[in-house]
Amino acid sequence: AQKITQTQPGMFVQEKEAVTLDCTYDTSDQSYGLFWYKQPSSGEMIFLIYQGSYDEQNATEGRYSLNFQKARKSANLVISASQLGDSAMYFCAMREYSGGGADGLTFGKGTHLIIQP
Amino acid sequence: GAGVSQSPSNKVTEKGKDVELRCDPISGHTALYWYRQSLGQGLEFLIYFQGNSAPDKSGLPSDRFSAERTGGSVSTLTIQRTQQEDSAVYLCASSFSGWNSPLHFGNGTRLTVT
Repeated sequence: AQKITQTQPGMFVQEKEAVTLDCTYDTSDQSYGLFWYKQPSSGEMIFLIYQGSYDEQNATEGRYSLNFQKARKSANLVISASQLGDSAMYFCAMREYSGGGADGLTFGKGTHLIIQP
Repeated sequence: GAGVSQSPSNKVTEKGKDVELRCDPISGHTALYWYRQSLGQGLEFLIYFQGNSAPDKSGLPSDRFSAERTGGSVSTLTIQRTQQEDSAVYLCASSFSGWNSPLHFGNGTRLTVT
């Protein structure tokens, strides 16, 4: 079974609109972390935001916020006031405490976001 | 400060040749990871180092792949007798120890096997 599921292969959004990128995860661990990365066409992987399983508040970093719904095992990324530079692939990833970090992050297949002017 | 550095950025090689990819992690990061990303695909985990040791090598696709890390710093990923299906971008990342530490990635090495 997939540990990270991103159901939106591609999205088109108008500039300045808010965007929600979906991510659901599967784990039996109580302790885990969820990460979002951005990969522009240049290929670099840019870390955006982190949410720990015990964090009671949703993480925020500038225009990025994470809508964390633990009971639903959902960790959606919200980008407010989208910009043309937000066009990129976005990957959701998870690390489980039981892995001890030994298996790095498990990534979803990504969502290709295109911001239209 | 300096980020994760990978070299070469691009490598074209003939089928059957050996290649060596290099990764220089962020100073102070004890954990180092190798991933592979095929065209338009997600990231496939290959191997992880904590210090110089790799506890689990089962993610390596075949016995043609090997990796080492020396001095707790630079790592090399070696692919022997390259095949066309090895063509991909090989990404290296490093992080502090701790399961909640984000990985910081290099720009990758694009390997093309002709």
